[in-house]
Amino acid sequence: EVQLVESGGGLVQPGGSLRLSCAASGFTFSSYEMNWVRQAPGKGLEWVSYISSSGSTIYYADSVKGRFTISRDYAKNSLYLQMNSLRVEDTAVYYCVRDLGNAFDIWGQGTMVTVSS
Amino acid sequence: QSVLTQPPSVSGAPGQRVTISCTGSSSNIGAGYDVHWYQQLPGTAPKLLIYGNSNRPSGVPDRFSGSKSDTSASLAITGLQAEDEADYYCQSYDTSLSAFYVFGTGTKVTVL
Repeated sequence: EVQLVESGGGLVQPGGSLRLSCAASGFTFSSYEMNWVRQAPGKGLEWVSYISSSGSTIYYADSVKGRFTISRDYAKNSLYLQMNSLRVEDTAVYYCVRDLGNAFDIWGQGTMVTVSS
Repeated sequence: QSVLTQPPSVSGAPGQRVTISCTGSSSNIGAGYDVHWYQQLPGTAPKLLIYGNSNRPSGVPDRFSGSKSDTSASLAITGLQAEDEADYYCQSYDTSLSAFYVFGTGTKVTVL
């Protein structure tokens, strides 16, 4: 079964850091581009970051540029999002998403990140 | 940050047809990039509903259809059913400096 499972969410103070992980299974991880998408409570979807299948091309939304870092580990079939200098407005459910020709065909269940003092 | 505009809500009685519009610009839909649609049931992760403007993934009922024209796209649901009550989002690629992928503002579909 094709599956993405996120972990690493939690409660963190403003200015703090958190690292999200996404374990991929059921498909050839190295062949796919991947993304992180977030959804603030009661709000819409917001694309956060993209990484190419080779890891050589990376993009970020302006709202997280310079603070978040996306990476992937092919040996562990895992995607990561290192989040630094967290702000209250980063509070959201973060989804790991597989990219199939610019469409997001597989979504994880999401992990909640709460930034609050 | 959404650059694709959708109506906040649409509603219809069971069996009726509803449509959701998605309006973009020359940096996304108008530039020829594909539009994709997602359905998000309450408390769950989004699910790909339509890809490449009008294609349905395996398992998606043919009650759902998509189209695209100029700088906009539409999702139609025919024969509306109670289980279609959900949030729907469009998504595309954007060439502006501020985003790579963009989502629509989202539309809540209510079955009366």
